[in-house]
Parts: sequence; C-alpha cells; structure tokens
Amino acid sequence: EAQVTQNPRYLITVTGKKLTVTCSQNMNHEYMSWYRQDPGLGLRQIYYSMNVEVTDKGDVPEGYKVSRKEKRNFPLILESPSPNQTSLYFCASSLTGGELFFGEGSRLTVL
Amino acid sequence: SQQGEEDPQALSIQEGENATMNCSYKTSINNLQWYRQNSGRGLVHLILIRSNEREKHSGRLRVTLDTSKKSSSLLITASRAADTASYFCARGETSGSRLTFGEGTQLTVNP
Repeated sequence: EAQVTQNPRYLITVTGKKLTVTCSQNMNHEYMSWYRQDPGLGLRQIYYSMNVEVTDKGDVPEGYKVSRKEKRNFPLILESPSPNQTSLYFCASSLTGGELFFGEGSRLTVL
Repeated sequence: SQQGEEDPQALSIQEGENATMNCSYKTSINNLQWYRQNSGRGLVHLILIRSNEREKHSGRLRVTLDTSKKSSSLLITASRAADTASYFCARGETSGSRLTFGEGTQLTVNP
C-alpha cells in the first residue's frame, strides 16, 4: 500500500531534549516536505527536499533541521525543542509537481 | 499572510445544498490544488488544476481557476454530512514542486 509513515504519532517532551520525527514513503517520490499546523494559521512549510541530498528552507525553518540521505526517508530534527514548537506536524511526499501524499501527523507537545 | 487564502473561514449548510469555497493567491502559479482534512488527520488530495486550465470536474467536485483574478473556487454539489471537513487550497509554484497552503475553510454539513 502506498503510504507516508510518520513516527511517533504522539509525543510529549520537555524543553531542550532533542528529538527526531521520522518520515518514510514507499512511492519512490523525489519531493518530500514537512509542515506544521497550528490553529488559525493553516499549514506552514518547515523544510522541503527536491531529491536526495537537496533540502531547502520553507516558511518557518527556525529551530528545525532535516536530512535527506535516502530517497525514502526525510527525518525532522528538533535539536532543542521549545514550547512554541508544540504543534501538529505533517510529512508529505510527491512526484515532482504532482499531488502531495500526507502522513497521518505527529502531535508534539513540548513542556 | 499565507500565499493561498480561503474564503469563507467557516461554512455551515444543510445536506443536499451546494458548498462553494474560494481561494485567492498573490503570485504566479504552475497549478492549484485542493485538499480535504478530517479533524486532526492527514490531508487528502482532491483535485489539481493547472494554470492553463479553467475548469475541472471530479465526481461532485467542480474547480474553477481564473488566473487573471488570481482566484479559484471549489464547488461541492449535493453535499452530504460526510463532506464535513476542512478544505485547503494549495498553490504550486512555477518553479519546482513547492506547495503553499492557505488557512482552510471549515465546512459543516448538517443532516
């Protein structure tokens, strides 16, 4: 089954404790992206990647890192999480210029 | 503000009625896409319309695009309670695959 898988789905952590949200897709898509969704703000893009070893900042990259060492994986790293990074995070992938396929989301709470 | 903006922010209708949602954007696009999100879940792609297209249909969905006015509309005909969800437009940039989302329209269809 074609899908985008994110883990963990739910996480509560404390300020400053590094964490990684993994994202994997099995559709051989070149393009992958991370979004965060906050009430009243819609989806805002954090980082995106056009292909392996190519990553670019989105609209809200501060406090996040990503890597794209393999085509299927695109982890989101929070080196030192802060409470303002409490959000619902979505990973998505697509063929270049096509429809995005979304994961089910990762709800992160930073205390 | 977001590059894709939906109007209205919220819409409540009765089953069987039509629902129209509008999306405006500010810069040139390669395509415009519409997505649906059930509460807290991942977004699901509904329809993509390219910049050289004016109208597209998919089942009960009709999308129009007016590039001169930089706007698009999504019409859901004969709505059902199961159509209750948030609907987002996403602007596909002319270069690359980057998609920028609006803040969404919350549609409620009352049985």
